[in-house]
Amino acid sequence: ILNVEQSPQSLHVQEGDSTNFTCSFPSSNFYALHWYRWETAKSPEALFVMTLNGDEKKKGRISATLNTKEGYSYLYIKGSQPEDSATYLCAFRVSGNQFYFGTGTSLTVIP
Amino acid sequence: EAGVTQFPSHSVIEKGQTVTLRCDPISGHDNLYWYRRVMGKEIKFLLHFVKESKQDESGMPNNRFLAERTGGTYSTLKVQPAELEDSGVYFCASSQDSAVTYEQYFGPGTRLTVT
Repeated sequence: ILNVEQSPQSLHVQEGDSTNFTCSFPSSNFYALHWYRWETAKSPEALFVMTLNGDEKKKGRISATLNTKEGYSYLYIKGSQPEDSATYLCAFRVSGNQFYFGTGTSLTVIP
Repeated sequence: EAGVTQFPSHSVIEKGQTVTLRCDPISGHDNLYWYRRVMGKEIKFLLHFVKESKQDESGMPNNRFLAERTGGTYSTLKVQPAELEDSGVYFCASSQDSAVTYEQYFGPGTRLTVT
């Protein structure tokens, strides 16, 4: 069983603040790291697929970095908006098709 | 393009009853996956189909769970008989290819409550 940890578990920020979360995963047998945004009762939405050490991806105000040697990825949100409120999930992929998810970081942006 | 759909969205059943969940993947996606999220815990892999064949079912918890994908299109996941610990959100996902850069597209999940 692979251990993927996300921190913090939950987070409340004021609108306009920037924030970041961490996903930690085993540094061996790395294949890919996925980030998803999930609102309850909706489909988890794919944000990024990251495969190479040092990868940086950006989509609007959201960006992510990857360090496969030390086994972590950061997700950054710049200028948080209420619509950013959701649970952010990371999934570690060893090979093939098995995803190992973290428990998620629940973000609440207060207007 | 229609996304992954799941039916029902919610199901409440009593312990010992049977429930069948359905997943319709994105058209043309050969790979179909089932996952489960027990409240407060991480989403866990259950199994993976390639077309109608089970590629990996290592995550299936026990023989009370049966997944099928006849014809390689939609899939069903049957729980019989249901136990209290089976409660959770069951997600289905599909992908066009299993290569690393291909995303798995998730459905909205079926929330199962066993009382």
